[in-house]
Amino acid sequence: AQSVSQHNHHVILSEAASLELGCNYSYGGTVNLFWYVQYPGQHLQLLLKYFSGDPLVKGIKGFEAEFIKSKFSFNLRKPSVQWSDTAEYFCAVNRVGSARQLTFGSGTQLTVLP
Amino acid sequence: DAGVTQSPTHLIKTRGQQVTLRCSPKSGHDTVSWYQQALGQGPQFIFQYYEEEERQRGNFPDRFSGHQFPNYSSELNVNALLLGDSALYLCASSLYSGHNEQFFGPGTRLTVL
Repeated sequence: AQSVSQHNHHVILSEAASLELGCNYSYGGTVNLFWYVQYPGQHLQLLLKYFSGDPLVKGIKGFEAEFIKSKFSFNLRKPSVQWSDTAEYFCAVNRVGSARQLTFGSGTQLTVLP
Repeated sequence: DAGVTQSPTHLIKTRGQQVTLRCSPKSGHDTVSWYQQALGQGPQFIFQYYEEEERQRGNFPDRFSGHQFPNYSSELNVNALLLGDSALYLCASSLYSGHNEQFFGPGTRLTVL
């Protein structure tokens, strides 16, 4: 069975610091990759997605992620975080062709200090 | 454009009872997936419905069942509730023919006492 690992459970940064959240998955075939964000009291929202093509994808609110197939990774980055980025971030993977479900990581809680 | 809606927002039940949760997909979507999110964890896939049939199922017991209606809305039913069923239940909608990009609703918070 596929699995998704997010190694950083809680990250605390000051405003303007750079962010990188790790995501690794176990499946060796073709995958669709997603990052979702859950702001306090709000529902899961899609930040960005990768289906194919350019492995560097840009999402909303200045976030980007890079798909490195050889490392089974899809790390999320932002050059300069803001207090409003405080939220929980989830990486999710979908195996193309055989499985329809999203497999989620356990999430990373990001706290940005003003 | 209405997003994914779920009802009720909160629900409190006792052990052994049965519960029904409801979901209306985003306009234009034909597929509904259900997830269980326990506190401090990522969502876990329960099952997915398309064309009123269960298309895929995660590792959940038969106490969890569902239904999809001709208007694409869906219900999740849980029988013989256990304390461990307490969680946030999320509904997500998507296009079956697409890349499985799923849009989530606000969830139903179920508490089992």
